[in-house]
Order: sequence, then C-alpha cells, then structure tokens
Amino acid sequence: KNQVEQSPQSLIILEGKNCTLQCNYTVSPFSNLRWYKQDTGRGPVSLTIMTFSENTKSNGRYTATLDADTKQSSLHITASQLSDSASYICVVSGVNDMRFGAGTRLTVKP
Amino acid sequence: KAGVTQTPRYLIKTRGQQVTLSCSPISGHRSVSWYQQTPGQGLQFLFEYFSETQRNKGNFPGRFSGRQFSNSRSEMNVSTLELGDSALYLCASSFIGLASTNTGELFFGEGSRLTVL
Repeated sequence: KNQVEQSPQSLIILEGKNCTLQCNYTVSPFSNLRWYKQDTGRGPVSLTIMTFSENTKSNGRYTATLDADTKQSSLHITASQLSDSASYICVVSGVNDMRFGAGTRLTVKP
Repeated sequence: KAGVTQTPRYLIKTRGQQVTLSCSPISGHRSVSWYQQTPGQGLQFLFEYFSETQRNKGNFPGRFSGRQFSNSRSEMNVSTLELGDSALYLCASSFIGLASTNTGELFFGEGSRLTVL
C-alpha cells in the first residue's frame, strides 16, 4: 500500500474556477511535504515545501495546507488558468525516506 | 544559471541490452537523485548520490546502478533491459540532498524517456 495517497486521480475544471487537491499520508516519522507540478513531458517543478510546524504556505495562486495530526495536506488552486493543466504530485519525506503520491491529473478547459 | 541537464532525451533499446543515462546537476549542487516514472507506478525513487557516494537507495533490483563523478555529474545504468523498464527516468539535483531535515529545493531535469522493445 502506498504511503502517500492522492485524490482525485483526475479532475477537469473550467478556466477561472478554483479547485482543491488532496494528499493523505502515513509516512512516519514525518519530516516535510512537498507539492510539485509536472507538465506533460517535462520534469516536476516545486510549488511548496512544508515542515511539521507549518500549516499553510502560498505560492501565487497555489496555497498548500498541512494538518500533521491527521496526516493530510491539500493544494488549493485559485482562479485556474489553462496553464495549470498538469499533474500535481505530493511527496512526503520521512527519515532517509521519500514517498511519492501517484499524482492528480488536472485539466483546465476554456 | 543552467538547470539540470539529462541526456539522451529519448532512446529505444531492445530486451537484454543495457543503457546508460547521464545527468549534469546545477553548478554547486553535490546531490543527484534518480527516479523512475511510469503511468502505472508514478514516481519511484531509485537512488541518491552525494559527493560521489551512494547515500540512499530505493527498492529496485541490482540491474539498476549508478555512480557520481568528482564534478557531481551522475550516470545511471540499467543492464539486461526488460520491457517493464520502459519509463521516463528523471534526475534531480540539490545542494544538500535528501536528508530528512532538508527542506531545500529539488531541481528536476526534463528526463530521459526509455522505450524497451
């Protein structure tokens, strides 16, 4: 069983709408959690990195939240743009361990 | 500054052959980590090299190996290729690596897409 579960697997939204992607993990002990954006055929690009003590971190229209007690994180995208169409990958680090979620495939339609 | 460079970008091999992929990290970065990405399995960690030493290793068979040179450039080798090795192989560089306390950035290359026929 993967220690990092992402949902939904895929999502289609209209341009301008908001959306929220989920990441649940069981990695323990926990060190940090990262969200990456990966365009098709490209390498992943870091959006946010959060440690145990951080609840919210923003990067432009992207806002990540972390609840270390429930082991849940979310990535909220505001006012989506066509360029937001990509896969979003949640990565959780433990002790000398890094676990990847399978990603959420987001499609933004005009 | 220049990003992470992976070569070749695309390659086709047949079963039983071996392949070597190259990764040049960002100047000054000493850590290079390698990942396999497939549609079914997502991103999976292969191994990390830091200052020419393998520091972490994922759960892959011994056919997958790597090394790092004194200039931090890294190579990954897959021997006796199998159809299931078809994947996008990504490398990432960072200044201090994947240590658990590290919250530094990981910079990924564009990947090498391997097709095994």
